Amino acid sequence: DQQVKQNSPSLSVQEGRISILNCDYTNSMFDYFLWYKKYPAEGPTFLISISSIKDKNEDGRFTVFLNKSAKHLSLHIVPSQPGDSAVYFCAASGSGTSYGKLTFGQGTILTVHP
Amino acid sequence: DAMVIQNPRYQVTQFGKPVTLSCSQTLNHNVMYWYQQKSSQAPKLLFHYYDKDFNNEADTPDNFQSRRPNTSFCFLDIRSPGLGDAAMYLCATMQRGTYNEQFFGPGTRLTVL
Repeated sequence: DQQVKQNSPSLSVQEGRISILNCDYTNSMFDYFLWYKKYPAEGPTFLISISSIKDKNEDGRFTVFLNKSAKHLSLHIVPSQPGDSAVYFCAASGSGTSYGKLTFGQGTILTVHP
Repeated sequence: DAMVIQNPRYQVTQFGKPVTLSCSQTLNHNVMYWYQQKSSQAPKLLFHYYDKDFNNEADTPDNFQSRRPNTSFCFLDIRSPGLGDAAMYLCATMQRGTYNEQFFGPGTRLTVL
């Protein structure tokens, strides 16, 4: 039972355009969401996060939107750059006994073409 | 730079031959995690340590064990690797009390022949 899903295995975008990566979750106990970026031969690195008490969090070119009623979050990258080409993982966490335990999606491969 | 280090980066073992993967950190974080990631799949949590307290996930096979002799080091022991255990193994750390941000090492790719 996959609790966090990234339904698009890949996304291709032109440099300068917007990249939108999507993530859906099923567990209503999740209250904190993170996006990680992974380059080949490296471990995932933290990108941006959002708490369930918010519906938007912005950090430079990266914005995460959370729609709790739809159990959906998205990562927007504007403008996209070739260096953004990587695998992007969505992850979710809860509180209590689930605190600190991340459930990951399968990842979306983003390719930004010059 | 503070970091999470995993050794070796690539490990080849034979079917049934025990293997140990290691992870060290200079971040002085009190939580350490081991994840298994198979090709094109999500990283899957195997277990984690909060200080010396070991927490096993319910579906982690008994074949997988872990040791944390001190704050800096954590080991993953696979007692009898099967072909299905071939995967990338990721170590991560976190300071409890922060907002779930985990810091990952580069991973060890395990091949089972």
